[in-house]
Amino acid sequence: GAVVSQHPSRVICKSGTSVKIECRSLDFQATTMFWYRQFPKQSLMLMATSNEGSKATYEQGVEKDKFLINHASLTLSTLTVTSAHPEDSSFYICSARDLPYEQYFGPGTRLTVT
Amino acid sequence: GEDVEQSLFLSVREGDSSVINCTYTDSSSTYLYWYKQEPGAGLQLLTYIFSNMDMKQDQRLTVLLNKKDKHLSLRIADTQTGDSAIYFCAESKGAGNMLTFGGGTRLMVKP
Repeated sequence: GAVVSQHPSRVICKSGTSVKIECRSLDFQATTMFWYRQFPKQSLMLMATSNEGSKATYEQGVEKDKFLINHASLTLSTLTVTSAHPEDSSFYICSARDLPYEQYFGPGTRLTVT
Repeated sequence: GEDVEQSLFLSVREGDSSVINCTYTDSSSTYLYWYKQEPGAGLQLLTYIFSNMDMKQDQRLTVLLNKKDKHLSLRIADTQTGDSAIYFCAESKGAGNMLTFGGGTRLMVKP
């Protein structure tokens, strides 16, 4: 089946620094990738839709200047959390669309901002 | 607006059947999904159903869809301890569109 990887799996950073999270589709090309955020014991909330070669579409309430998304190739999308603060600590999960109706999720990245 | 709801918790004994329920409000939902999330991990797609179907079976998993009542259920036969996880239902409006998730149901399987 389709495999999506994320890197890093865990990251701890200091407040005010920036962190980049990578999402890769390993065995298929993904024109669309999605970024979700999950707080402890809560569901996933869509942050943005990332389309290869174009600007990401952000959900209401998500700051595009804070969460920079780049989808430079058909197998890679990156999420950069800029000027991170403790409230940005969360579990970030990406997904990539393979077949039209199937999304495959990465294993997630746990971000802790100290 | 879109809303997907699930009960928070379900506890069953090993070998019994588990039934996890989900309701949604948007009648234009065309694809409905069940995902499994183990602790600290991402989501694993278990199965999906198109809105023009009312049942889908895949090994131990049976999905039932009542489109009139906007009710979706996932039945796991012969539940095992390895089935303990959080199960999310999700809906989307079209192929490859964003997913709207329910809050997740934590399934605990007792030996």
